[in-house]
Amino acid sequence: GQQLNQSPQSMFIQEGEDVSMNCTSSSIFNTWLWYKQDPGEGPVLLIALYKAGELTSNGRLTAQFGITRKDSFLNISASIPSDVGIYFCAGQLSGTSYGKLTFGQGTILTVHP
Amino acid sequence: NAGVTQTPKFRILKIGQSMTLQCTQDMNHNYMYWYRQDPGMGLKLIYYSVGAGITDKGEVPNGYNVSRSTTEDFPLRLELAAPSQTSVYFCASTGGLNTEAFFGQGTRLTVV
Repeated sequence: GQQLNQSPQSMFIQEGEDVSMNCTSSSIFNTWLWYKQDPGEGPVLLIALYKAGELTSNGRLTAQFGITRKDSFLNISASIPSDVGIYFCAGQLSGTSYGKLTFGQGTILTVHP
Repeated sequence: NAGVTQTPKFRILKIGQSMTLQCTQDMNHNYMYWYRQDPGMGLKLIYYSVGAGITDKGEVPNGYNVSRSTTEDFPLRLELAAPSQTSVYFCASTGGLNTEAFFGQGTRLTVV
């Protein structure tokens, strides 16, 4: 099946630092999504990208949909302790995909105060 | 607004036992999904449904069954639990393509 390679697997940073993570795929996706998962909770959508080349911000978060439609990145600026969690990228095809998502392996983010 | 509700939150099963993981949503969403999350592996799709009475296999369906008799409910059944089914299970729903998927809080299942 389709696979998304997400990197890095984990990050340990100081509060105030910027963070960058990315996802690559061997397949083309029509939608890229970035989720955050807090301990004991389900994933929550952060940013959705629908067009190749699209750059979208949500507060301190910025994400881009790669031109080739095979990659995406997420940046977090000026990290704070509540940014701790697992970040997942997910790709979605249109048409007959029925909204099914293919997830990356996740990036575990730890922020030291 | 409850969103997607999963029960139970935790369960320990013995090998060979069966159980049903419950999922209900109150958003009148047509599309519902079951994913499993293994450490370091992301979420993988088990089964999905595009509406009441319609279900289809995802990437990892073996050992599971689903039904969708109503729009609200999408239970996941394990008939003969195996240690390989130890995982965290998430139910999700969405109102359609290019709309946000909402996830439940998950069910942590351990098979011993």
